[in-house]
Amino acid sequence: DAKTTQPTSMDCAEGRAANLPCNHSTISGNEYVYWYRQIHSQGPQYIIHGLKNNETNEMASLIITEDRKSSTLILPHATLRDTAVYYCIVRPTGTASKLTFGTGTRLQVTL
Amino acid sequence: SQTIHQWPATLVQPVGSPLSLECTVEGTSNPNLYWYRQAAGRGLQLLFYSVGIGQISSEVPQNLSASRPQDRQFILSSKKLLLSDSGFYLCAWSSWGGRSGTEAFFGQGTRLTVV
Repeated sequence: DAKTTQPTSMDCAEGRAANLPCNHSTISGNEYVYWYRQIHSQGPQYIIHGLKNNETNEMASLIITEDRKSSTLILPHATLRDTAVYYCIVRPTGTASKLTFGTGTRLQVTL
Repeated sequence: SQTIHQWPATLVQPVGSPLSLECTVEGTSNPNLYWYRQAAGRGLQLLFYSVGIGQISSEVPQNLSASRPQDRQFILSSKKLLLSDSGFYLCAWSSWGGRSGTEAFFGQGTRLTVV
């Protein structure tokens, strides 16, 4: 699976948009970009995924660059409950595959 | 709807004792199943994954083993626990990707402390 690179930590003021970047320069054509988050002492929670096009759901938006070498997860109005570690993962589809997490970005939302 | 059950939530075991953590999935068939471990303040480490009954792939050499006796049951075991086996253990499942991506769903985890 392709490797991802994320900043170790980020801060965001409550109510502002949180933009979390991820580099995946070795991504293959059949690999999706997934985002998960892990709130302290809980299991990771799926947020969103995409292949080429930008995606939006009730939790977040995912912006993937045209060359697919990087992406940004956007939380439009961050709240204190969004404080968590956010993981960006690339994973092939079509076959069973292991799901490997990196170290993620620790997002701290502050008042 | 699909649900994943993992138990116990917390466990304190002496060094040298055996371990058995169980994970079951409901509401789906032939899931991919995963065991992860997270040491304190560290990231998620994939330990085992399984694509079917009796099919186990090990990611790292270690003191642990996994088994899948039934389609929706995944068990993590050890014959003799070490202090270094302490951590937060998470079970997860995902469906086959098909032509579109699919997400993975995680249990609530077991916090194991080996003393």
